[in-house]
Parts: sequence; structure tokens; C-alpha cells
Amino acid sequence: GQQVMQIPQYQHVQEGEDFTTYCNSSTTLSNIQWYKQRPGGHPVFLIQLVKSGEVKKQKRLTFQFGEAKKNSSLHITATQTTDVGTYFCAGGQGAQKLVFGQGTRLTINP
Amino acid sequence: NAGVTQTPKFQVLKTGQSMTLQCAQDMNHEYMSWYRQDPGMGLRLIHYSVGAGITDQGEVPNGYNVSRSTTEDFPLRLLSAAPSQTSVYFCASSYQGEGNTEAFFGQGTRLTVV
Repeated sequence: GQQVMQIPQYQHVQEGEDFTTYCNSSTTLSNIQWYKQRPGGHPVFLIQLVKSGEVKKQKRLTFQFGEAKKNSSLHITATQTTDVGTYFCAGGQGAQKLVFGQGTRLTINP
Repeated sequence: NAGVTQTPKFQVLKTGQSMTLQCAQDMNHEYMSWYRQDPGMGLRLIHYSVGAGITDQGEVPNGYNVSRSTTEDFPLRLLSAAPSQTSVYFCASSYQGEGNTEAFFGQGTRLTVV
């Protein structure tokens, strides 16, 4: 079945440093979604990418969807302590049967 | 607007006991799903439903049953709890149509089987 791999599993940065997490699917995706989960919380939707090569920005967050629609990345510029949490990518057909990556846990040294 | 409501928030079961995790949404979403979250393994799909009366298996369905008698409710039943089912369970609902199909998650149920 479809698999979604996400790296790295953990990332620790100094506040102000950049952060990137990468997501790769074994199959071509119709769309990819990104979620953030704060410690002890539930996943919260960040964004959805649909088009090949699509790039979207949300303030300091930049999301990319690969040309082949099999990979994606999330880049955070100048991290802040509020960015702490686990970031998940999820791919599939709409949101019905999302396959999640293992997540990247981001911790920040203030 | 409550969104997705899960109950209970915490539960401890003995091996062999059965229980039902409740999930309700008030957004009139067609799609609902159950995930379990274990350390280092992300969220794995247990069962999902595309509408009332229709359910299907996800990646890890063994030991769990679901039903969808109404659009709003999607309970998850553990038939005979095992320690391997110790996990955090999340219910999610989503709209399938044009544009964003984001999943809305409940607060989660932390289940321990001893």
C-alpha cells in the first residue's frame, strides 16, 4: 500500500534558526496536507497542496509540492518558540483516506 | 460550533474488556475516520466512513469495529482489549468537495490496556 516517509524524525534548533522537514510518498499523490500537533494536543491543519510544483507561504512557513507529486517539504524561517511541536505530512485522495508520515518533532532552544 | 467531540479523554482497561470510544461531529461532514497514534509511527488509519451506513477498513483494522448509523456519530468499538491497543486515538471528520478537504480532529482519547 501507499507509504509516506518523513524525515528527520527529530530536529532541535536554536531560536532564530531555520527548520525544514521532508516528505516522500511511494506513489503519486492527488494532494498533500500538512498538520501541526502541539505537545499533548491534536493535529491541526496547516495547508493543502494540490498542483504539481506548487509553492505556498504562510508568514514564515513555506510549503512545496514536488513536480512529480510524490514529495513535499515544509520550511520554517527564523523559528520561534511558538513553532514547537510535531509536523506531519499526509497524502492521499482528498482527506478521506489520508496516509500520514511519521512526523518531525521540532524542539527549540530559546 | 463544537467541531469534533471525543469521549472519554482517558480510559484504563483490563485485558479482555470491551469498550466504545465515542466520536461526534456537528459540521455535517460526510467523511469520518479513526486513527491511532503511537510514538514514532505517526497516525495510522483504523477505519473510515464515507457516509452514513458505509464503512471501510484502514491500515490497522484488526481488533476494532465501527458503525455509522448517522452522519454525526462514528463510534469505535474495541471487542477484547489487548495491551497492544494502548495508544492515543483520534477521530477526524472532513468535507469532500472542491477546495480544501482538511481533516478536523477531536481532542483524542488516551487508552491504556493493562
